[in-house]
Amino acid sequence: FVLTQSPATLSLSLGERATLSCRASQSVSSYLAWYQQKPGQAPRLLIYDASNRATGIPARFSGSGSGTDFTLTISSLEPEDFAVYYCQQRRTFGGGTKLEIK
Amino acid sequence: QVQLVESGGRLVKPGGSLRLSCAASGFAFSDYYMSWIRQAPGKGLEWVSYSSSSGSSIYHAPSVQGRFTMSRDNAKNSLYLEMNSLRVEDTAVYYCVTEWGGEQRAFDHWGQGTLVTVSS
Repeated sequence: FVLTQSPATLSLSLGERATLSCRASQSVSSYLAWYQQKPGQAPRLLIYDASNRATGIPARFSGSGSGTDFTLTISSLEPEDFAVYYCQQRRTFGGGTKLEIK
Repeated sequence: QVQLVESGGRLVKPGGSLRLSCAASGFAFSDYYMSWIRQAPGKGLEWVSYSSSSGSSIYHAPSVQGRFTMSRDNAKNSLYLEMNSLRVEDTAVYYCVTEWGGEQRAFDHWGQGTLVTVSS
């Protein structure tokens, strides 16, 4: 079972919309989570069950999808959003998408 | 607030052993499923081990099965990872993590991590 994230790197400007993809090699339950990790820090849970924001996560973060295709959307990028993002289903993590400033 | 503090990471030679500890506070530790997750330098995340709330069910990733043993002491609010026959590829930051919802549905609280370096 594999989770494939794309793109590997995404270069965007402040205020732009970010769309990150996570594709599963086989259909999965809605137990899909997204994490944000900044350099030197532990990951932080953003989204659980594909579309539910974790406690304290800003509304600009949203998750969607089902089956094999899932998406994390950041509606308008803030400076603190530039980081690496991982998706996770059960014991498997995707390889990550690095969101960098253009 | 939830606090998870890992310790025990250090430089160890291939074939050596190490015991990691995680001290938990700020929540009812004995009610929580827990996992260890690791991250090799510059790499992604890898789930390593899981424990049910009581410690009666414990699972390990195939990559560490037979070499690593996870345990917990609910009376001491502590989680452990006994690591034997260490390999260079076990070099990573090891995170102690709480599970939300069971079945590795999501990992909602993470410690700061402890670095294990396996090198001769």
